[in-house]
Amino acid sequence: LAKTTQPISMDSYEGQEVNITCSHNNIATNDYITWYQQFPSQGPRFIIQGYKTKVTNEVASLFIPADRKSSTLSLPRVSLSDTAVYYCLVAPNQAGTALIFGKGTTLSVSS
Amino acid sequence: NAGVTQTPKFRVLKTGQSMTLLCAQDMNHEYMYWYRQDPGMGLRLIHYSVGEGTTAKGEVPDGYNVSRLKKQNFLLGLESAAPSQTSVYFCASSSTGSRGNTEAFFGQGTRLTVV
Repeated sequence: LAKTTQPISMDSYEGQEVNITCSHNNIATNDYITWYQQFPSQGPRFIIQGYKTKVTNEVASLFIPADRKSSTLSLPRVSLSDTAVYYCLVAPNQAGTALIFGKGTTLSVSS
Repeated sequence: NAGVTQTPKFRVLKTGQSMTLLCAQDMNHEYMYWYRQDPGMGLRLIHYSVGEGTTAKGEVPDGYNVSRLKKQNFLLGLESAAPSQTSVYFCASSSTGSRGNTEAFFGQGTRLTVV
């Protein structure tokens, strides 16, 4: 499985756009990039997934450059409730794959 | 729709005692996972299962055993609890849907303390 590297922590203020970058230099051809969000005392929840270019949903956008060696999760106009840990996972979308989480990025949003 | 349910939510064990954590999912998912999360740390995979009757070791399997006798249930056992196993345990499940098995659904966690 591809190793991922993301910042340990980030700070932001309400209303700002937050971009969290994940490096995955040894990503394989059949790997997908998936981001999860975890609030304190809760299990992680799926946010967004992509393979290449840009993916957008109601929560976030995911930008993936052509070489796919990194990806950026973009949270528009964050609020206090976006304070959480964000995990980047790189894994193939196929049977038998174990989902390995790293330490994630702790985002703290202040007013 | 209950999703992924973990039982119990909290437990205190004495060193050397045994216990079983139950994870149940009602989404007919093929894959199930057990993770542990220590304070300030990410999730570490203990064991996982890709289908009924199958199990595989994850990153930190020592001291734990699992069973998947029914598709909807995944049991995590501690035969002889140690203080190092004090942690929050999360169960998850996933399918081969449009996002494949990388979209996992998590339970609410079991907080285990071993004294």
